Amino acid sequence: ETGVTQSPTHLIKTRGQQVTLRCSSQSGHNTVSWYQQALGQGPQFIFQYYREEENGRGNFPPRFSGLQFPNYSSELNVNALELDDSALYLCASSSLGQGAGRGTEAFFGQGTRLTVV
Amino acid sequence: DQQVKQNSPSLSVQEGRISILNCDYTNSMFDYFLWYKKYPAEGPTFLISISSIKDKNEDGRFTVFLNKSAKHLSLHIVPSQPGDSAVYFCAASAGFGNEKLTFGTGTRLTIIP
Repeated sequence: ETGVTQSPTHLIKTRGQQVTLRCSSQSGHNTVSWYQQALGQGPQFIFQYYREEENGRGNFPPRFSGLQFPNYSSELNVNALELDDSALYLCASSSLGQGAGRGTEAFFGQGTRLTVV
Repeated sequence: DQQVKQNSPSLSVQEGRISILNCDYTNSMFDYFLWYKKYPAEGPTFLISISSIKDKNEDGRFTVFLNKSAKHLSLHIVPSQPGDSAVYFCAASAGFGNEKLTFGTGTRLTIIP
């Protein structure tokens, strides 16, 4: 069983630039969610992808976008970076519930620490 | 609007004693609740969950209690061990098939040897 891995672990970008963060899901999981965790806060839901389609979005502007690939890995793209985008970005994989089950609990990667200067 | 609240930013407990972490929520649509534990430089790790049809769920040293009328849940850890020192997040989701989690701000638990 492979865990959730994210790359890179740390990144420094300049305001106005674009960034792509990557996530490899846990084997057998079909759903990827992305969260932003600002300092001293809990993770905030950005969006979720299920079978390559967006399946829910939090209160984040359109410059936050994503992709899920056939192997269930995922990317988070942020355009026109702002200073407030500095945060830990967490990817979580799970298996969306079907039938009577709730599905699996989300398993998180170690995160990508993004600093915008 | 903070729908999941953890009002204690930190908690210190003697090793061997009981640790009680609290969480309140405001959204009546939440029907599934989870606790995650986070060490520095790691992602949150799932600990235990509870469905709104139950009022208690146990897993080893960890027990979660849910009081729906008060919109309150708590995590009990007994006995507390030094390895339990971490930040604990309460999270909630609403509706079958909705895996979006709404998190609290976390409680830093320190176990004193």
